[in-house]
Amino acid sequence: DAGVIQSPRHEVTEMGQEVTLRCKPISGHDYLFWYRQTMMRGLELLIYFNNNVPIDDSGMPEDRFSAKMPNASFSTLKIQPSEPRDSAVYFCASSTQYEQYFGPGTRLTVT
Amino acid sequence: GEDVEQSLFLSVREGDSSVINCTYTDSSSTYLYWYKQEPGAGLQLLTYIFSNMDMKQDQRLTVLLNKKDKHLSLRIADTQTGDSAIYFCAERSGGYQKVTFGTGTKLQVIP
Repeated sequence: DAGVIQSPRHEVTEMGQEVTLRCKPISGHDYLFWYRQTMMRGLELLIYFNNNVPIDDSGMPEDRFSAKMPNASFSTLKIQPSEPRDSAVYFCASSTQYEQYFGPGTRLTVT
Repeated sequence: GEDVEQSLFLSVREGDSSVINCTYTDSSSTYLYWYKQEPGAGLQLLTYIFSNMDMKQDQRLTVLLNKKDKHLSLRIADTQTGDSAIYFCAERSGGYQKVTFGTGTKLQVIP
C-alpha cells in the first residue's frame, strides 16, 4: 500500500481565499483523522471519521473549517475564508483498531 | 481531560543509549504509542504497547510501562545519527479512537 496520501504538499494562498486539502486513507482503514501542527500549539486533533461518518469535530476551530468524507477512499478539509493564523502543517491519518498512520502533511501558508 | 507530558529536548552521543520519558494522566489509557517525526515528514508509528504489558522490545527499541506511576519510556539502543528526530508519546483509551499526543521530545544525536 502507498500509505496515506495527501495533496497538495505545499499550499500558499492569500488571506480570504478558499483552501481545500485532500486525503486518501489506507485502504481498509475504518477511521480517518485530520490534525493540525504548529510550533505554538503542537499537534491538535481537528476531526475524525468512522466509516465516513464524522464522530468528533470538537477540535475544529471555527465555522470557517469544514471536513467531508464522501466515501471510504477520500476526505477533504476546507478552510473558507483562510486567515494568516491558519498557517500550519495539516496531517491526515487513518487507522485500524490499534495502529494510526499519518500522511506526509500539507504545509499551508496564508499571507 | 487527558494530558501527556514529555521533556522537550534530549542530547546523546552516537552509540550510547537514549531514554525518552513520558507521563500521562488518564488512568483508563489502554494503548500507548511512540511516534517519530523527521523534519518535513509526518509522524511514523514506531511501536505501541497495551496497558496490560510492562515491556515490549522491538530490535533496538524497548518500551517500558509503569502503569502505577503512569510513566512510559522509550529506550533506543546504540543510537545513530539517523535517530535524530522528534519523538511523540501518545495514549488512547480503549473503545475510543481519539489519541492524545505529548508535545514531543527532540532527540539530538552527536557524532
